[in-house]
Amino acid sequence: EVQLVESGGGLVQPGGSLRLSCAASGFTFSSEAMSWVRQGPGKGLEWVSGISGDGSTTYYTDSVKGRFTISRDNSKNSLYLQMNSLRAEDTAIYYCAYGLYHLDYWGQGTLVTVSS
Amino acid sequence: QSVLTQPPSVSAAPGQRVTISCSGSSSNIGNNYVSWYQQLPGTAPKLLIFDNHERPSGIPDRFSGSKSGTSATLAITGLQTGDEAAYYCGTWDSSLSAGVFGGGTKLTIL
Repeated sequence: EVQLVESGGGLVQPGGSLRLSCAASGFTFSSEAMSWVRQGPGKGLEWVSGISGDGSTTYYTDSVKGRFTISRDNSKNSLYLQMNSLRAEDTAIYYCAYGLYHLDYWGQGTLVTVSS
Repeated sequence: QSVLTQPPSVSAAPGQRVTISCSGSSSNIGNNYVSWYQQLPGTAPKLLIFDNHERPSGIPDRFSGSKSGTSATLAITGLQTGDEAAYYCGTWDSSLSAGVFGGGTKLTIL
């Protein structure tokens, strides 16, 4: 059974940093691209970032380029999202998802709140 | 403003059929596969359709997808009260080198 469990969310001040983690199990993690998707309060889904199975290729939506960094540790079956220079508009539930072109499985999400 | 355009809401009675449209451009829907996701209230999204019309294991055949040019459609037949949810289309945008979603459609069962 595929399981994706996010952690690391919380309250952070504008301009601050946060690192999200996603622990994956139930599939061959190193073989699969992974993505982060977020959902602001009362809003729709927004694709944030993606990474290839070997970590060599990364992708970002324009609004987070230069501020967020996606990475993975295949020895730990873990996906990460380093978020710097956080803004109020980054407030959202952040989901870890299996896949890139279509998202087969999703975690339960972790809430990030950017506020002073 | 989402890259893909969906109607904000649709409604229909139990047992009826409903369709949800998703409009894009040649850089996204026109040249890439479309997927559809269902998000029940308070839960994470779930994959319903991938590669335009394929259903993952466990998804009933009441849900179907199609694509024509730069538009895609999700059809749901035999509507049930449990289908009341938000539905999102998604695809890859080759110009942006990024994933994109529609704004979501709220399905209400009358």
